[in-house]
Amino acid sequence: AIQMTQSPSSLSASVGDRVTITCRASQGIRNELSWYQQKPGKAPKLLMYAASTLQDGVPLRFSGSGSGTDFTLTISSLQPEDFATYYCLHDNNYPRTFGQGTRVEIK
Amino acid sequence: EEELAESGGGLVQPGGSLRLSCAGSGFTFSNFWMTWVRQVPGKGLEWVANIKQDESKKNYLDSVKGRFTISRDNAKNSLYLQMNSLRAEDTAVYYCARDQSPSITVADTKSWFDAFDLWGQGTLVTVSS
Repeated sequence: AIQMTQSPSSLSASVGDRVTITCRASQGIRNELSWYQQKPGKAPKLLMYAASTLQDGVPLRFSGSGSGTDFTLTISSLQPEDFATYYCLHDNNYPRTFGQGTRVEIK
Repeated sequence: EEELAESGGGLVQPGGSLRLSCAGSGFTFSNFWMTWVRQVPGKGLEWVANIKQDESKKNYLDSVKGRFTISRDNAKNSLYLQMNSLRAEDTAVYYCARDQSPSITVADTKSWFDAFDLWGQGTLVTVSS
């Protein structure tokens, strides 16, 4: 199974900061990657698919990039509602696997 | 309003069985791949299984193969997960999710992607004696 490694596991940031989360695949997955945001006690929410395509309704401060093995999710200016845990997920083959998550906390 | 609602979770002894259901409403259920994802409380997400619109393709996490069966009834707008031979490590919140399966065409090549755009609220399965 493809392993997805996110870094960092957690980070502390302030409102207005630029935040970057990295996801690395154990083998090439082209651009077959999506990103999800999850808040405590809630279901995940789709942010991005195909590595860089923003889901309808997701704010433009979110962006994604990467191809092959290395991917990034960037929040250009962190807002209070962005404090959450973020997960990457590959869809290159089966089984699909998620990264372990990156928790974004308030500094 | 588009919704997914899971049910069927609960406490079961190791080796026991449980059947989860996921009811869809507000959209054409039969048009979409559907997926189960689980999450141990306080831990990360784990993809479990998915099923094509007409049930012709099903895929499973290795650790559940032979024990879990995914199915659907499009006439009832429902997705199911039959879980047998349950183990303590199956304890988790189980979510169903709709895959919008978007496609992108680049240089005359069309590619489809996973994109789980609608999720249920989850149902907790606890495997314990």
